[in-house]
Amino acid sequence: GAGVSQSPSNKVTEKGKDVELRCDPISGHTALYWYRQRLGQGLEFLIYFQGNSAPDKSGLPSDRFSAERTGESVSTLTIQRTQQEDSAVYLCASSPFGQEFYGYTFGSGTRLTVV
Amino acid sequence: TQLLEQSPQFLSIQEGENLTVYCNSSSVFSSLQWYRQEPGEGPVLLVTVVTGGEVKKLKRLTFQFGDARKDSSLHITAAQPGDTGLYLCAGVGLFSGGGADGLTFGKGTHLIIQP
Repeated sequence: GAGVSQSPSNKVTEKGKDVELRCDPISGHTALYWYRQRLGQGLEFLIYFQGNSAPDKSGLPSDRFSAERTGESVSTLTIQRTQQEDSAVYLCASSPFGQEFYGYTFGSGTRLTVV
Repeated sequence: TQLLEQSPQFLSIQEGENLTVYCNSSSVFSSLQWYRQEPGEGPVLLVTVVTGGEVKKLKRLTFQFGDARKDSSLHITAAQPGDTGLYLCAGVGLFSGGGADGLTFGKGTHLIIQP
């Protein structure tokens, strides 16, 4: 596609439920990143994929968070047993391999609200 | 850990005024990027600066990379309401291998331009 696509754009879920967030990167972009942005805050790194491999999972806040990627395309971020502190905007970005030097292309994000 | 400090955190000025926001670090970066994020959207890359002392202009926006590649500034001339948004700087480390080390984000400057 022309840009990075994320779905859903908004998600309201009850505390304790599981949620799946989807990211469709730009075709040909092998690097994919997930970030979390709490209200009024900067970006918090979660996980990085190179192809379908995740060499850096250092940012995942707890074992309730997991992510996978199919080949060099779609990625899914799963949050199990959601908590209110998980409420945030989850942003996905992609770039060509080794091109973070030049910048990322971000999606519009998924706004997650846990009630 | 590489940190980027942005200042000011919040800035509200009248249309037509000039302003400068800053991005500072004690670390050296191989490149530095500026993004603008509007409500409900992901960050959009404005510019990448690479060479120490480099100056880039984007219409009324002027970006400068410090001589030592540790800091950067963004100057806006004759600000307009359309410039309102969150301005994020992000640095690529000297030994970037992608992932959490690939790009370090500052917490951003919230800019409001009042008509």
